[in-house]
Amino acid sequence: KAGVTQTPRYLIKTRGQQVTLSCSPISGHRSVSWYQQTPGQGLQFLFEYFSETQRNKGNFPGRFSGRQFSNSRSEMNVSTLELGDSALYLCASSLTGTERAYEQYFGPGTRLTVT
Amino acid sequence: GNSVTQMEGPVTLSEEAFLTINCTYTATGYPSLFWYVQYPGEGLQLLLKATKADDKGSNKGFEATYRKETTSFHLEKGSVQVSDSAVYFCALSSKTSYDKVIFGPGTSLSVIP
Repeated sequence: KAGVTQTPRYLIKTRGQQVTLSCSPISGHRSVSWYQQTPGQGLQFLFEYFSETQRNKGNFPGRFSGRQFSNSRSEMNVSTLELGDSALYLCASSLTGTERAYEQYFGPGTRLTVT
Repeated sequence: GNSVTQMEGPVTLSEEAFLTINCTYTATGYPSLFWYVQYPGEGLQLLLKATKADDKGSNKGFEATYRKETTSFHLEKGSVQVSDSAVYFCALSSKTSYDKVIFGPGTSLSVIP
């Protein structure tokens, strides 16, 4: 079974631009979560989607948004990029997200650099 | 709210040394506990998990026991290898955190030959 895939793997953008990252979960997984990883802040939860609905949201500004499609693929968008948005963005999928042992499978991440 | 605390390191060990990475948590109810590992340039991989008190999770020679009385889930390995060099994250999930996984800050481990 194929793992979680994320595209692109690397991205360089300029301040003020916007960016869209894509995540394809493991086949059959319906929950997709997004995380931002930086050396200073560690792993921070952005949001989670389940059945095309945002179910959980972290403490990020409205510039960060996401969506999920009917095939469970998910995209996240960051508008008006800031230098501080430079990070590794990780996507994780799980079966439903409601089972008690909330076992997540992570993709390799998208490395975003904002200049 | 729920939280996870772990030693941040970096930890440097010689090959075949004994490894312990401490992890403690704060949570209401009965969370599930996890250890994830991140190798350089990769995403996180689930290493092991435990879903109730006194459960022992184990994988690839790593072990961790869910201790509710001390709210701990320390990671141990009897003999580390160079290939174990990575960042290790302790994490929890519970109904009271709306099923989100909450991660600790990560512990960087370097194993030298």
